[in-house]
Order: sequence, then C-alpha cells, then structure tokens
Amino acid sequence: EAGVVQSPRYKIIEKKQPVAFWCNPISGHNTLYWYLQNLGQGPELLIRYENEEAVDDSQLPKDRFSAERLKGVDSTLKIQPAELGDSAVYLCASSLDGLAGAPGDTQYFGPGTRLTVL
Amino acid sequence: QKEVEQDPGPLSVPEGAIVSLNCTYSNSAFQYFMWYRQYSRKGPELLMYTYSSGNKEDGRFTAQVDKSSKYISLFIRDSQPSDSATYLCAMSFHASGGSYIPTFGRGTSLIVHP
Repeated sequence: EAGVVQSPRYKIIEKKQPVAFWCNPISGHNTLYWYLQNLGQGPELLIRYENEEAVDDSQLPKDRFSAERLKGVDSTLKIQPAELGDSAVYLCASSLDGLAGAPGDTQYFGPGTRLTVL
Repeated sequence: QKEVEQDPGPLSVPEGAIVSLNCTYSNSAFQYFMWYRQYSRKGPELLMYTYSSGNKEDGRFTAQVDKSSKYISLFIRDSQPSDSATYLCAMSFHASGGSYIPTFGRGTSLIVHP
C-alpha cells in the first residue's frame, strides 16, 4: 500500500515569491493534516481537514498561508508571499478517523517538503 | 515553558546498549502518550502508544508513563545502528470539539555506533 505522497521534496525560492506544496493521503483516509517542522523541533499542526472541511486551522497564518482539499482527497498548501522565516519542512499526514492522538487511530506522515527561502 | 520538554541530545551509545529516552510535560490533561521515530529526511512514524501509567512492551521497545510525575520514557534494549534516528514524544487529550491533536516534543537525536 502506498504511503502519504508529497511533492516537491525540496523547494528553494526567493523571498516574496509564492510556493505550493501538494499532498496525496493514504487511500480511504478521511483526515488530512498539514504540519510545520522547524529544524530541531517537533511538528506543529497548521491545519486539519475532515474530508473537504477544514476543522482546525487556528495555527495557520491566514495572511499568507492558504490550503484546500478539493474532493476530499488531495490537498495543496500555499504560501504567498514567502518570508525568510518560512524555511522549514512541511509535513502532510493522514489518518482514518481524525483521532490521531486517540486509541485506535494512527497518523501516517509523508516525507515532507523541505522549503528554503533565500 | 513548553508543554512538552525533551532533551535534543545527541545521545551516542555503543551497539547493544540499553537506551533511555525521556520527556516531561506540564499539562495534566494529557491522557495519551506516543513515541515516534523519525529518520533523516523522512516523516515521523508511530512506534509506541500508551494511555495509562505503567509499562508497555513491544519487542525491544518499552514505553513507560508516570502520570504523577508527568514523566514518560522509552527504553530500547539491544540497540542497533539501525535505531539511529530522532525520537519524538507526543501526547494528547480529548479536546472540546472532539479532537485529539498531539503535541510533540522537539525530539532526541540517537546515534548507535557499531
């Protein structure tokens, strides 16, 4: 079974440029998560989708970040314009029921997109 | 002070050693405790999950939770070079709205040398 797929794996852009990341979750997983992982830190949740609905986006900087999950499958995370401080790894994860920290549901992570903003 | 504290290491041990990795937390609401392993350039993968005080064993791995001290540990027996990775603790509780979003520690880098 294929895992969570993310692309691109690496992206280098100039500051103030736009950038987009794509994620394809595990087939049948209703819940999709985008996390930010800074160097030497643990992942921090940006947004969580239940099917097509964003149910937890309180940590998403909405002035420059946006996300969508059309048809409840693939998702795209966009930054416009990018800032130097956005350099990090952007992780996508999926789980079956949206209870990633609860008994019986496991969260599966993709390999991440490493963004460098110059 | 962060809700979850974890020493970043690196922790370097010889092959075959017993490894002890630890996290402390401040939020007494945390009910569920997880350990993830993250290899370089990869996403985290769930290793162990527990929700009660005490020990849980899975092969060479033992997860230990002490809720009274707000302290969790992961022990690795007979460590192997393939265990070299960053180990992230994570914990969650049933928040209003029904979510259980984990809060992660910063991870401990483990190096097992032959």
